[in-house]
This record gives sequence, C-alpha cells and structure tokens, in this order.
Amino acid sequence: DAKTTQPPSMDCAEGRAANLPCNHSTISGNEYVYWYRQIHSQGPQYIIHGLKNNETNEMASLIITEDRKSSTLILPHATLRDTAVYYCIVRVAGTGGFKTIFGAGTRLFVKA
Amino acid sequence: DARVTQTPRHKVTEMGQEVTMRCQPILGHNTVFWYRQTMMQGLELLAYFRNRAPLDDSGMPKDRFSAEMPDATLATLKIQPSEPRDSAVYFCASGLMARGGTEAFFGQGTRLTVV
Repeated sequence: DAKTTQPPSMDCAEGRAANLPCNHSTISGNEYVYWYRQIHSQGPQYIIHGLKNNETNEMASLIITEDRKSSTLILPHATLRDTAVYYCIVRVAGTGGFKTIFGAGTRLFVKA
Repeated sequence: DARVTQTPRHKVTEMGQEVTMRCQPILGHNTVFWYRQTMMQGLELLAYFRNRAPLDDSGMPKDRFSAEMPDATLATLKIQPSEPRDSAVYFCASGLMARGGTEAFFGQGTRLTVV
C-alpha cells in the first residue's frame, strides 16, 4: 500500500487559508488521494478526493502535483470549527478489494 | 439525512464477557468497514465487506474477533472473550464503491471499556 507523510501539527489564524501538505511519493497510477478529518471524539469526515486534476468542493480544494507525489489540502477561510486532525490517504478504487489506511494525520489548530 | 448508525454508543464490560457492536450502513451502500481507534495505534482497519462478503479481515485478531453481515442493513463486530486491551473506540463506515472512487461515511463510534 502507498504510504503518506504529513506534518504532525500546524497552526492557522482564523479567517486565513490553511494549507495542509501531504507526501505520497510511492503512489501508483490508479490510486486516489483522499482527505478526511476527525474532530475530537467524532467519526472521521470525508472532505475531498482526486486522482490527477485539482478538485474543489464546498469544503476545500485539493491541489495535486503533476507527478502526483504530493498534494495540498486548502481550507480557504479557516474557522475555529476547522480545528481537527486531517488525514491524507491514498486508496485504490474500482473493482475488487481495497484498503483505506489512516496514518497519524496533521493536527490543525485554528486560532482566533 | 442518511447516516451510519452504531449501537451501543458506549459499552463497559468485564474481562471475559462477549461484546457485540452493531452497525447500520447507509441504505444502498455496498461496502462496510470496521475500524478501531486508540491513542497509541490511531485508526486501524480491522475488516471490510463488499456486498456482504468479507474482503479482508487481516487486521482483526482472529482468535477473539469476528465480523459478519447477516443482511444488507446490519453489520456486527463481536469480541469473545473481551480483554482490557480491546478498550477503544470502534468505528463502522459504509460507502458505495464504484469506479472513480468514492468516500466512506463514518458512524459516531462505539466506545468500549473492558475492565
């Protein structure tokens, strides 16, 4: 399984953009990049995913480098409620089985 | 509002007792995951099912853990006998697996304490 590397923690000022990096240098061509977050004591929450192209939804933007070896999750205007652990995951999608393996994640602190 | 439902939310039991955790996946989802979360190990994948068939349970201690899907609306995770080291939060997640990738929706978890 492809592995991901994330910084253990980051700070961000409220209202500013939070940019969370992730390295996945061993990613295969058919593996998607997924981002989840976990707010204290709750179940993980899906944020966004992508394969090659940059993606945007109502929660965040995902920027994937051309060589696909790294990506960045962008929360455009962070709020205090965005304080959470953010997980970057690579996973094979499609037919057959696959695994979603969570790493240690990045603990994001949004400060007023 | 579709969601994954887990019961019970909290369980305290004595060592040696059987524990059964239940999960109701989102209607129409064909894949169910069981995860365990502890401070030391983080989120660990225990098992997952697709169309009710177990695809991978390599993350589960086979001697005491078992996971089943009696029908499409119910997934169960059993521990027998339970041990203090099984104390953790157990999450169930479901998703609709299709080409192109999709997300998994997590329940609120069952917090298990074995004393």
